[in-house]
Amino acid sequence: EAGVTQFPSHSVIEKGQTVTLRCDPISGHDNLYWYRRVMGKEIKFLLHFVKESKQDESGMPNNRFLAERTGGTYSTLKVQPAELEDSGVYFCASSRRTTGVGLAGDIRDEQYFGPGTRLTVT
Amino acid sequence: DAKTTQPPSMDCAEGRAANLPCNHSTISGNEYVYWYRQIHSQGPQYIIHGLKNNETNEMASLIITEDRKSSTLILPHATLRDTAVYYCIAEPSNAGGTSYGKLTFGQGTILTVHP
Repeated sequence: EAGVTQFPSHSVIEKGQTVTLRCDPISGHDNLYWYRRVMGKEIKFLLHFVKESKQDESGMPNNRFLAERTGGTYSTLKVQPAELEDSGVYFCASSRRTTGVGLAGDIRDEQYFGPGTRLTVT
Repeated sequence: DAKTTQPPSMDCAEGRAANLPCNHSTISGNEYVYWYRQIHSQGPQYIIHGLKNNETNEMASLIITEDRKSSTLILPHATLRDTAVYYCIAEPSNAGGTSYGKLTFGQGTILTVHP
């Protein structure tokens, strides 16, 4: 089974430019997540897709960030315009459906992370 | 989300068991304890999770205290490749038990396995 892939692995852009990151989840995984780690900080959640719908986008820092998942397959994260503080590593993760019937019968699937995209804004 | 507390760093000799503690004294009844690790320059990797029973898989064992206020991740025979940052995460769920899926990473524990 192929893992989560991310493209590009590294991107260097100038302040004010636009960058689009891509994530291909594991085939069949309905859940897709974006996280990022900026310099010296902890890994932070950005948003969560269930298929093509945004389930939770509470971690998106501002409206310069736009995430899409058309067709419920791969996802893109666009930063426009990029600022210096956007530099960091952006991780994508995916998991199968999570269902719950109560604590006893809960089914949970772990998140599989991609290798990340290192974004450098100069 | 329950806040978790971990020691910033630990050392372990190769071949010995590594016991990584985690405090989650404010954990609620429907929060699972998850462990992930991040090996340098890679994405986080799932290790194990549990609710209140002890769990074991091919990678590790998870011991959760009866009051659920703390847990210990055990790597039974640590190798040099286990050197990584280990994260203990309490994952919330709604009343129906469905996971929100959002992982809240803290600083984690830097585990160094030495020869």
